[in-house]
Amino acid sequence: DAGVIQSPRHEVTEMGQEVTLRCKPISGHNSLFWYRQTMMRGLELLIYFNNNVPIDDSGMPEDRFSAKMPNASFSTLKIQPSEPRDSAVYFCASRGTGGGPQHFGDGTRLSIL
Amino acid sequence: TQLLEQSPQFLSIQEGENLTVYCNSSSVFSSLQWYRQEPGEGPVLLVTVVTGGEVKKLKRLTFQFGDARKDSSLHITAAQPGDTGLYLCAGSFGNEKLTFGTGTRLTIIP
Repeated sequence: DAGVIQSPRHEVTEMGQEVTLRCKPISGHNSLFWYRQTMMRGLELLIYFNNNVPIDDSGMPEDRFSAKMPNASFSTLKIQPSEPRDSAVYFCASRGTGGGPQHFGDGTRLSIL
Repeated sequence: TQLLEQSPQFLSIQEGENLTVYCNSSSVFSSLQWYRQEPGEGPVLLVTVVTGGEVKKLKRLTFQFGDARKDSSLHITAAQPGDTGLYLCAGSFGNEKLTFGTGTRLTIIP
């Protein structure tokens, strides 16, 4: 079975550029989570969706960050404009109905120069 | 504010030794999970504990949830190189949000 698929795996771009990270959750899962992982702050929840609706975006650091989930099989996390302090590994995770574990993708390693 | 503190932050031991890592909080969690993360991959769930005092075993790994549901420990018996990785605890307050701990980076030396 396909797991959570994230793209790209790596992204290097200059500050000020727009960055879009993509996630395809596991088919049938109704919850989707975006996390950011850094050495200093560990793994932090940015936002999560239930049935494509954003439920809690209190972890989104600034207005430069936005996330969408237009349908059950796709979500994006966008940073505009990007800054060097946004450099991190960004993970997407999904979870099925009725509880159960969150399944993580392999992450996008983002470097802002 | 980091709600879940893990210790030690780094641990390097010889193959065959035993070890314990800890996850501590001042908050009471409805459940707590342990994950292992390997380089270039996302965290993978090892276990979920729900009841205060609960003990779960997964082969050579033993997980315990504190009686007050504020802390947890992970004990590994006869560590093997394949146990190397970043171990993360994550607490839930009863909703879908998980608060992750600071992590313990474990290295098992052959």
